[in-house]
Amino acid sequence: DAKTTQPPSMDCAEGRAANLPCNHSTISGNEYVYWYRQIHSQGPQYIIHGLKNNETNEMASLIITEDRKSSTLILPHATLRDTAVYYCIVRAIYNFNKFYFGSGTKLNVKP
Amino acid sequence: GAVVSQHPSWVICKSGTSVKIECRSLDFQATTMFWYRQFPKQSLMLMATSNEGSKATYEQGVEKDKFLINHASLTLSTLTVTSAHPEDSSFYICSASEGGEKLFFGSGTQLSVL
Repeated sequence: DAKTTQPPSMDCAEGRAANLPCNHSTISGNEYVYWYRQIHSQGPQYIIHGLKNNETNEMASLIITEDRKSSTLILPHATLRDTAVYYCIVRAIYNFNKFYFGSGTKLNVKP
Repeated sequence: GAVVSQHPSWVICKSGTSVKIECRSLDFQATTMFWYRQFPKQSLMLMATSNEGSKATYEQGVEKDKFLINHASLTLSTLTVTSAHPEDSSFYICSASEGGEKLFFGSGTQLSVL
């Protein structure tokens, strides 16, 4: 399985865009990039996923580099409720066996 | 999106007793469910894969006799922590896929063993 590397923590001002990077240099051609977040003492929440094209939904945007070796999750207007640990995971689509979490990035949104 | 319900949200038990945690897929059928454990300030660790109608598959280092998993129907998987000890105190989380492109997680169960 492709491994991911994320910074341990980041700060963001409320109302500003939060850009969370993820490196996945060993990603395979059939592996998608998934982003989840975990607010304290809750189960992980799905945010977005993509293969090679940029994706956008009501929560966030996902930008994947052309070589697919890294990606960035963008929260366009961060709020205090976006304070959480964000996990980037790469996995083959439709196969959630061995869906391993790395250490993630703790995003601190400050007023 | 699909909903995964986990019960109870928290449980306190005495050392040596067994505790059962339920995980239900409310609006979809899940042939496979997954159980994770999370210690404070750490990431989620996959414990086992629960397959409906067959034995669970455990990750290396996870004691199958300690953590009994039963997946008797397409909407219910249970994790029983047998003879619980204080070191088993942790946050347990289940997840399931409806066969699509996403994995959905329950809200977790905080287990405290006294």
